[in-house]
Amino acid sequence: DTEVTQTPKHLVMGMTNKKSLKCEQHMGHRAMYWYKQKAKKPPELMFVYSYEKLSINESVPSRFSPECPNSSLLNLHLHALQPEDSALYLCASSPSFGRFMGELFFGEGSRLTVL
Amino acid sequence: GEDVEQSLFLSVREGDSSVINCTYTDSSSTYLYWYKQEPGAGLQLLTYIFSNMDMKQDQRLTVLLNKKDKHLSLRIADTQTGDSAIYFCAESIGAGNNRKLIWGLGTSLAVNP
Repeated sequence: DTEVTQTPKHLVMGMTNKKSLKCEQHMGHRAMYWYKQKAKKPPELMFVYSYEKLSINESVPSRFSPECPNSSLLNLHLHALQPEDSALYLCASSPSFGRFMGELFFGEGSRLTVL
Repeated sequence: GEDVEQSLFLSVREGDSSVINCTYTDSSSTYLYWYKQEPGAGLQLLTYIFSNMDMKQDQRLTVLLNKKDKHLSLRIADTQTGDSAIYFCAESIGAGNNRKLIWGLGTSLAVNP
């Protein structure tokens, strides 16, 4: 199984809503990532979990809250988002952080629209 | 500084070879990567090259690295319509848990029948 599965594929939410994005991988990878991608732009790193511990937070606003319940799952909790947060949110995994951090397996993404 | 540059667009005819170019500024790059993103999809790692290599071939894909000029290219032989996508170049810099991935803006490849 070489897949990273993300749900939901599409999400529309108001600025006062609370929602979550979910990501799952069963490749035994020990590093998991959240990226944000705007149209026609490269992905921007948000968070890195390495061995289920938060290793990197790229100064992301606190309205985005990541969680790694176990080595296969990664969540991104969303609260009080702004319209400019509308984007494609990509989850990725790699065998580990460090040497393998460029060998990323990406999910198909969750397309978020904030009204 | 850390910068990766790519030309934004490339158009080729089906069956021709495509060459996508990338330049980077950080001479401490360890690995360089090519990712493909089809419309509405996530990114897919196509290939990568270690900085002490100058060429890597994988079926229709050939990666050339000129470390002196900090230039990376991806050649796709016999380009097909299914190769139409955005291609991102990325370089890995730093060491251990301080590694970073620096992305180019992407080259949009259009393959015309």
